[in-house]
Amino acid sequence: DIQMTQSPSTLSASVGDRVTITCRASQSIADWVAWYQQKPGKAPKLLIYKASTLQSGVPPSFSGSGSGTEFTLTISSLQPDDFASYFCQQYTRYPLTFGGGTKVEI
Amino acid sequence: QLQLQESGPGLVKFSETLSLTCTVSGGSISDTSSNYYWVWIRQPPGKGLEWIGSIHYTGTTFYNPSLESRVIISVDTSKNQFSLTVRSVTDTDTALYYCARGQANWFDPWGQGILVTVSS
Repeated sequence: DIQMTQSPSTLSASVGDRVTITCRASQSIADWVAWYQQKPGKAPKLLIYKASTLQSGVPPSFSGSGSGTEFTLTISSLQPDDFASYFCQQYTRYPLTFGGGTKVEI
Repeated sequence: QLQLQESGPGLVKFSETLSLTCTVSGGSISDTSSNYYWVWIRQPPGKGLEWIGSIHYTGTTFYNPSLESRVIISVDTSKNQFSLTVRSVTDTDTALYYCARGQANWFDPWGQGILVTVSS
């Protein structure tokens, strides 16, 4: 299985901060990575796919980059609505696997 | 707008069988315009996400090897539903279960999730 290691597991930040979350794959996965946002009690929401393609309706303050084994999700200016957990996911091969998550808190 | 809704019992006894259904509305599960798969994912309380398996409307399935011996995913195109069955459940099967649409194996949208607790 391809392991997805996310860091940090928890991130403390303030409104307006630039935030970066990293996801490392245990082997090369080209750019087959998606990122999701999950708020408490809610289902995950797709933010980005193919490492850097923004899903329709997602604010442009979110961006993704990377290829191979290292990927980043960046929030350029943290808004109150962005305090949530974030997960990466690889879809280069089965079984599809997720990172352990990053909780962005105040 | 496509919506998915999970349904089924929230409590299952140890060693018995967990059965859930996902009802798709606002679109057809057998939509041939894109190569969609229909997916089950679970999340134990306070933990991360685990892909369980995926099914195409034609019946092609892919399963997580960690669960494959106990899991069956099926599709009913006439009802616009797909289902999950997990045999011989234990405490480790207690989780929020989500259904979702898979497109090129990323997932969007998701259902709201259903909590299934395994009781002794």
